[in-house]
Amino acid sequence: DIQMTQSPSSLSASVGDRVTITCRASQSISSYLNWYQQKPGKAPKLLIYAASSLQSGVPSRFSGSGSGTDFTLTISSLQPEDFATYYCQQSYSTPRTFGQGTRLEIK
Amino acid sequence: QVQLQESGPGLVKPSGTLSLTCAVSGGSISSSNWWSWVRQPPGKGLEWIGEIYHSGSTNYNPSLKSRVTISVDKSKNQFSLKLSSVTAADTAVYYCARGEIAAAGTSTYYFDYWGQGTLVTVSS
Repeated sequence: DIQMTQSPSSLSASVGDRVTITCRASQSISSYLNWYQQKPGKAPKLLIYAASSLQSGVPSRFSGSGSGTDFTLTISSLQPEDFATYYCQQSYSTPRTFGQGTRLEIK
Repeated sequence: QVQLQESGPGLVKPSGTLSLTCAVSGGSISSSNWWSWVRQPPGKGLEWIGEIYHSGSTNYNPSLKSRVTISVDKSKNQFSLKLSSVTAADTAVYYCARGEIAAAGTSTYYFDYWGQGTLVTVSS
């Protein structure tokens, strides 16, 4: 199985801040990396697919980059509705594995 | 707009079988998509359980493979999950999700539609 490791596990930030979350794969996964946002009591929501492609309807303040084993999700200017938990997920092979999540909290 | 809706018992006894169904509306289960189950124990992260294609082809998480069966019912536009020999460790919110293959012949695949999730508790 491909292991996905996110850092940090939690993060405190303020509205307007620029935030970066990192995801590392245990082996190269090319650009087959997706990012999801999950709010309490809700299903995950797709933000970014194929490492850097923005899902339709997702604000442009979200961006993704990386290839191989190292990936980042960046939120350019945090908005109140962005405080949530973020997960990366690899689609290179089955089993489809997720990172452990990064909880983004209000400072 | 594709919608997915999970249904099934919210309480299952230890050693029993968990059975859930995901009804798909606004789209066909026979489209070029995979259909997955993902679970999330309370306060924890996401775990992919397995997936099925309308042809009946399946992929399962090796950690659960011996206990999991995913099936599809094209006539009802739905797919189902059975997880046998459950224990308290199987207590989780279970989600169904659609896997979209963005580019044929590649691994560009993502979960673009999700059900709202259903909590299944394993307890006597």
